[in-house]
Amino acid sequence: ETAVFQTPNYHVTQVGNEVSFNCKQTLGHDTMYWYKQDSKKLLKIMFSYNNKQLIVNETVPRRFSPQSSDKAHLNLRIKSVEPEDSAVYLCASSSRDWGSSYEQYFGPGTRLTVL
Amino acid sequence: GDKVKQSPSALSLQEGTNSALRCNFSIAATTVQWFLQNPRGSLMNLFYLVPGTKENGRLKSAFDSKESYSTLHIRDAQLEDSGTYFCAAEEDGNYAQGLTFGLGTRVSVFP
Repeated sequence: ETAVFQTPNYHVTQVGNEVSFNCKQTLGHDTMYWYKQDSKKLLKIMFSYNNKQLIVNETVPRRFSPQSSDKAHLNLRIKSVEPEDSAVYLCASSSRDWGSSYEQYFGPGTRLTVL
Repeated sequence: GDKVKQSPSALSLQEGTNSALRCNFSIAATTVQWFLQNPRGSLMNLFYLVPGTKENGRLKSAFDSKESYSTLHIRDAQLEDSGTYFCAAEEDGNYAQGLTFGLGTRVSVFP
């Protein structure tokens, strides 16, 4: 099956802990993204990663960092979670090859609850 | 939601009826995607559009980059069409910034 996979589905933790979410895509894409969906359902880009080039949304706090081992994986680490980090985190991928569709495909999301 | 404005914010449809959703862009959108988010939270791809129109079954979508809007038409609504519909745009020359999303239209289809 070719798709975007995320683990875990849910994670509950306490303020100050470190968490890490995994994302893997088997679509052969060269670009991956992390989005945050808040309680009002607004989706906002956090990071995009292509060919070892990382683009960071300037509003993202420094405690967030993406980690990539290869172009099929882009994990998200939060160093010390805060209550406002409670949200659904969605991973996506697309191809930026010339002549391809740039359509983004999303994983099922990881719901984070910070107590 | 300021750069991509979706309307209406919510819609209640009787089975078998038709409706239209709209997105207006205040950014220079080059491509548009429409998604349906189900109650579990998964985003299902509906359409990927460059300027023009596409049709898939009971759904039809159009994107006019000059007038900066996109529409999604639902024909003969079914119960399984319920969910939140999002439009998202890629900004000209700014693909690395990802998609800019609207706030969504929550659609409820009733018998």
